[in-house]
Amino acid sequence: QVQLQESGPGLLKPSETLSLTCTVSGDSISGYYWTWIRQPPGKGLEWIGNIDFSGTTNYKPSLGSRVSMSVDTSKKQFSLKLTSVTAADTAVYYCARATGTSSPFWYWGQGTLVTVSA
Amino acid sequence: DIQLTQSPSSLSAYVGDRVTISCRASQSITTYLNWYQHKQGKAPDLLIYAASSLQSGAPSRFSGSGSGTEFTLTISSLQPEDFATYYCQQSDSVPVTFGQGTKLEMK
Repeated sequence: QVQLQESGPGLLKPSETLSLTCTVSGDSISGYYWTWIRQPPGKGLEWIGNIDFSGTTNYKPSLGSRVSMSVDTSKKQFSLKLTSVTAADTAVYYCARATGTSSPFWYWGQGTLVTVSA
Repeated sequence: DIQLTQSPSSLSAYVGDRVTISCRASQSITTYLNWYQHKQGKAPDLLIYAASSLQSGAPSRFSGSGSGTEFTLTISSLQPEDFATYYCQQSDSVPVTFGQGTKLEMK
């Protein structure tokens, strides 16, 4: 059974870098598209970007150069970095798995709340 | 970016009611449209993929239809566990986008 688990700091100060890791269990990390999605408090779901098993990435354009993703196949982990965070980056962050570029998100992590506050 | 507009944004209904939620895309996405159920504090659950395919394990009272720019999620007979927020999502192109959500509340 495929399981995804997010981990990382839950509290950041403005201008710091958000770093989250998603650990995959129950299946290979190869051959899939790994995605980060967030939900700010009281708002809807927002796609941040994805990375495939070879390291090819797609990012939400409005996040610009602040966002980057990486994958570590040996640890069965993929990661999100978001630099220069502000209060607007406060959200529950989810990792999710798709089987292709046109695939739905078949599996999701439980989500982790990241709060940005001085 | 492809915009997805859901209607209504919120809906009150009784157990046993038939409910329909609409999702309109700003351009054609053929059938690359998926529906999720989201309950507070939990991960979203995939209900319908490719506009009309029922995800394994999802109750048969859920159905999806549509193509191009107009899509519909129907719940044939509301059950107490169905009260949640529902999102449509397009997987036609990046950036992937979601509708703003429809909150389904018990009347």
